[in-house]
Amino acid sequence: GESVGLHLPTLSVQEGDNSIINCAYSNSASDYFIWYKQESGKGPQFIIDIRSNMDKRQGQRVTVLLNKTVKHLSLQIAATQPGDSAVYFCAETGRRALTFGSGTRLQVQP
Amino acid sequence: ETGVTQSPTHLIKTRGQQVTLRCSSQSGHNTVSWYQQALGQGPQFIFQYYREEENGRGNFPPRFSGLQFPNYSSELNVNALELDDSALYLCASSLNMVRSTEAFFGQGTRLTVV
Repeated sequence: GESVGLHLPTLSVQEGDNSIINCAYSNSASDYFIWYKQESGKGPQFIIDIRSNMDKRQGQRVTVLLNKTVKHLSLQIAATQPGDSAVYFCAETGRRALTFGSGTRLQVQP
Repeated sequence: ETGVTQSPTHLIKTRGQQVTLRCSSQSGHNTVSWYQQALGQGPQFIFQYYREEENGRGNFPPRFSGLQFPNYSSELNVNALELDDSALYLCASSLNMVRSTEAFFGQGTRLTVV
């Protein structure tokens, strides 16, 4: 498959460890913040979102934290698996357009 | 799979040519958004179509244009192609312009301009 990004920051973790991917956003007026996973040759896949009036939201094996004071968003993946290897993007949105960050490549070592 | 399909998956064009990319939205969705993703970067919003009308546009020149058809499928047209237009073009469909968290992406069309 094609490469999504060749020069992205890379986070390398051991299988079974927890992963934390960080993102800084710019627009304080965004309603929602979202994390997407993009595997090679595919479009972005929704993982989890958080509304701007929340600071934490949990899903299955994933947790998103929002710190509006410093405009910071993080994605925590518990018990990282080889299938989690991908590029992860944070995005912010109002009603129409998604504004994506530059992405982080997650590599899971067996 | 999201139910959003794009065609073609890959194509190569020469600088100065025109190209048309196609997107079939997920069943029941009436809103289609187009994004350009350069290598190593996040997707950038081009424009959105809702019920056959353009409903918001990003920072792209007029040579990027689009259409949405009565069945809500959509086309992205790019005229006078430039080398920097080489990218992955993504479409996302959603229902009634609801918050973009409920948008589903296709697999993209990889355009190479030589």
